Amino acid sequence: DGGITQSPKYLFRKEGQNVTLSCEQNLNHDAMYWYRQDPGQGLRLIYYSQIVNDFQKGDIAEGYSVSREKKESFPLTVTSAQKNPTAFYLCASRNDRDHNEQFFGPGTRLTVL
Amino acid sequence: AQSVTQLGSHVSVSEGALVLLRCNYSSSVPPYLFWYVQYPNQGLQLLLKYTSAATLVKGINGFEAEFKKSETSFHLTKPSAHMSDAAEYFCAVSGLSGSARQLTFGSGTQLTVLP
Repeated sequence: DGGITQSPKYLFRKEGQNVTLSCEQNLNHDAMYWYRQDPGQGLRLIYYSQIVNDFQKGDIAEGYSVSREKKESFPLTVTSAQKNPTAFYLCASRNDRDHNEQFFGPGTRLTVL
Repeated sequence: AQSVTQLGSHVSVSEGALVLLRCNYSSSVPPYLFWYVQYPNQGLQLLLKYTSAATLVKGINGFEAEFKKSETSFHLTKPSAHMSDAAEYFCAVSGLSGSARQLTFGSGTQLTVLP
């Protein structure tokens, strides 16, 4: 089955530590996205990548970094510079052959202690 | 630029009652429109999408939405609510090309179904 996987589902880290969230897709999509979701709020775009080796900042990129070395993978690093990293993180990919529909992974809940 | 407004951050209905979740959009080009559902601690799942083929779009779980260009609306409805419909619902808009292909999401509507 094609889809998007995110790991781990739950992640706990101490304040001041960097942490990397994994996102893998086998849908052969070019574009991938990272969103942050806080309770009672919608989705806020952190970073996106239209193609391998290229990515752009979204609305709330400060304190985050990404890489896109392979089409299938788009990991997100939450750095110690992110002031309030506790949140639910969603990865998505876009199907350019079907009206820009985005497919979402199951999410990673990050808690910084 | 494109934007989405979802009226009502919380909606409560009784089981068996009509579900109506409102979405209005703004787009400078003919849009694609989407409704997604999110259950607690899960990712978003596509309910339905408008791609200009038909103004009345049927989706999964008995939901449907009607595209009304004159009202710039894409409201989501379901004739009879089930307890399992309790979730958060997001409306989103996308343009046809370039940076507009990104989805712009509304702030979401939390649906509660009362027994």
